[in-house]
Order: sequence, then C-alpha cells, then structure tokens
Amino acid sequence: KAGVTQTPRYLIKTRGQQVTLSCSPISGHRSVSWYQQTPGQGLQFLFEYFSETQRNKGNFPGRFSGRQFSNSRSEMNVSTLELGDSALYLCASSLAGGTLATNYGYTFGSGTRLTVV
Amino acid sequence: EDKVVQSPLSLVVHEGDTVTLNCSYEVTNFRSLLWYKQEKKAPTFLFMLTSSGIEKKSGRLSSILDKKELFSILNITATQTGDSAVYLCLTAGNKLTFGGGTRVLVKP
Repeated sequence: KAGVTQTPRYLIKTRGQQVTLSCSPISGHRSVSWYQQTPGQGLQFLFEYFSETQRNKGNFPGRFSGRQFSNSRSEMNVSTLELGDSALYLCASSLAGGTLATNYGYTFGSGTRLTVV
Repeated sequence: EDKVVQSPLSLVVHEGDTVTLNCSYEVTNFRSLLWYKQEKKAPTFLFMLTSSGIEKKSGRLSSILDKKELFSILNITATQTGDSAVYLCLTAGNKLTFGGGTRVLVKP
C-alpha cells in the first residue's frame, strides 16, 4: 500500500510569505503528526492530529498551525516566514492517535524541504 | 521539560565492527521509546520498546530498554556500509520528543 505522501518535495519562499504543506497518511491511518528537522535543533515535534482534532502540540509559535480533514489528510501552515524556518518538515502517520499511537509506531513521509530566503 | 539525549553524537567504524548507541531520557508519563534509522529523508522504524529488560531483535540489530535507569541501547553487530545513517530515538510521554541522533559511518 502507498506510504505517507508529502507535497511539495521542495519549496523556496521569501521572508514574510506564508506556506502550506500537505501530508497524506497511509490509507486507514487516522493520526498525523508533524516535525521540523534542522541541523542545529534536530527533530522537533510540532503537533499531532487525530480525527480532525489537534491532540498534542509542541513548543512552536502560533505562526505554525495545522489542520486535518475528514479523509485524514493534513496540512501545515506557516505564516510570516522567517529565515530560521528553513528546515525539512516531516509528517508521520499512525493507525491510532494520542496514547495509542505508540502501540503502532509512526511511519514517516520523505518530507518537504523548505528554504526561506 | 522532556529531555532525550543520544550518545555518541557520531562514530566511524569499519565493516564487521559492533556499535552500541545510547539513548537516555527524562520524560513525564513515559509510555514507550522508539528507534528509527534515517538515511536520506524519511526515518524508517526499527523498534518500539515499552517494557524493561526485554530485548527486541531484528537481524543484526537489537535493542533493550531500562526503565529504572532511564535509557535504551541499540546494538548493531557485524556492521555493513548500508548501516551508515543517523539513528534517532523517540520517546512518547505527554508529548513526543526526539533525541538529537547518532550519526554512524561504516567504512569498507
């Protein structure tokens, strides 16, 4: 079955713009979580959605937001982009969400490489 | 604040060597620890550990969790060049926290 699909693969934006990234989970998976990966900070958790509801949130400013649709696809939006937002953004899907998610593990997509200039 | 520390940061070994990677954690309401291998982009799942003292094994890789001392070990025996990657551990507590990763380079 198809894996986790993230689009676009690469993106270049200028400071102050906004961006929307998309993540389609594995068919049947209802949980989607988002992560930011940078060389300096490593992988950091952004937020997790399950059944269209945000279940957990990391320590990121309000410029980072997300949502999940009824078909479990998720979008992440970053407004007023800063140079420091340049990173690889990964999403992961799981069969269940919240405390149950770790019973099934997370499957990651290949990520979207965002460069802010 | 939850904290996950991996060591060493990086290491270089030759094919056939054994490597041992460490993941120490301080996590509120710890539920499980997961190991991932990241080569290019998407981390790939290796193990999930929830119980102390029970070794998980897959081929040349094995892992164990110590919930009393709050750490996990990932072992790779008879390393091959294809094992070169960044190995990440992820803890699930009140939130999900990744360690900084250990970069492993296996030379022929």
